[in-house]
Order: sequence, then structure tokens, then C-alpha cells
Amino acid sequence: AQSVTQPDIHITVSEGASLELRCNYSYGATPYLFWYVQSPGQGLQLLLKYFSGDTLVQGIKGFEAEFKRSQSSFNLRKPSVHWSDAAEYFCAVGPTGGSYIPTFGRGTSLIVHP
Amino acid sequence: NAGVTQTPKFQVLKTGQSMTLQCAQDMNHEYMSWYRQDPGMGLRLIHYSVGAGITDQGEVPNGYNVSRSTTEDFPLRLLSAAPSQTSVYFCASSSRDEQFFGPGTRLTVL
Repeated sequence: AQSVTQPDIHITVSEGASLELRCNYSYGATPYLFWYVQSPGQGLQLLLKYFSGDTLVQGIKGFEAEFKRSQSSFNLRKPSVHWSDAAEYFCAVGPTGGSYIPTFGRGTSLIVHP
Repeated sequence: NAGVTQTPKFQVLKTGQSMTLQCAQDMNHEYMSWYRQDPGMGLRLIHYSVGAGITDQGEVPNGYNVSRSTTEDFPLRLLSAAPSQTSVYFCASSSRDEQFFGPGTRLTVL
């Protein structure tokens, strides 16, 4: 069965510092990969996605992620974090069976210090 | 275009009560799903649907029922609420490219 591991429950960075959130997946074929962000009290919003092609994908809000098949990873990066980036971040892999419904990781909570 | 709507936003139930969480989408997506979110557990799939009349169980289906009579609506029923069902519930509507989430329902079972 497919699965997603986000090894870091919490990450703390200073505003202006760079950020990398880790995501490892287990999937039997070429996966669809996603990163979602959840601001406090809100639903989830798609940051970026990878289906095929260029392994470095750009998303909204200045985020990017790199698909590394050899490492089964899809890490999220941002060169300079803003205080408004404080949120919960979820990595997801799909599809699940015959449906376009991904499996989510447990999330990483990003704390940004001024 | 409202996207995915959920009602109610907040609900308090007593143990043993039943209720239905409503979810509707106006994007004509075939795939819809229900998740619960608990601290440290991420999003866990309860039930999902791949089209009207077709539903299937996810990771944590016990205590919940769903039906899909129309493309637009996908209600989640709690048959006999238990304190373990205290959670935030999210409905989502999916295309291949993306899942669109509703704003969530915060449910407390006393």
C-alpha cells in the first residue's frame, strides 16, 4: 500500500531563513505528488504538484519542490520564509487505486520566529 | 462558483446522538471524499466516492455512513456519536490535478 512519511512534526525557522520540509513516499509506480498548506482554522490549499516531466516544480507563494525518484522523496523548499508562511504543510501521493484521491502524510507544523 | 461547501461549521453532540454533515460541490467532479483531522494524525480518509451511486471505505470508516445520490452532494452520517469522533471533518472534491477542500466542520461529542 502507498504511504507518505513526513519525518518532522515541527520545524522552527527565523523569518528570512531558508526552509526545507521533507517528504518520503512509498508507491508502486510513478506517483502523483502534492504539497498542501493549511493555515490555522482553514481548509487545505494546493501549493504545487508533480505528475511528470521536469523534476523541479514551482508553486505558489514562492515554494518549489524537487522529485527524486532514487530517494523516493519530494521535499518542499523556500529560499526566504515570511512570517505568513507559518502553517501546517501536508505532502500527499496518489492516485489511490482507481481514484484521484491521494494519501496524505501526517503533516509538518512550521513555526516562524521574527 | 462556490467550490466546496460544508455545513455546519461547528456542532456539539451528546454520546449516542446521530447527525449528518453536509457537503456540496459545484465543479462537476466525479470524485469526492471525507477526511477527519486529529492532532498529530494528519488527514485520514473516512469514505470516498468515484461517482453518483458509488462509494467505498477509506482508512477509518467505522461509525460513519455515506451515500452519493447526485454528483453535487456527498453527506456524511454519524450513526451513534462517540467521544472518539470528536474531530475536524473535511470534505473534498477532486480532479486529477487537485483536491478542493471545504472549510471544515468542527465536531465535539460529549
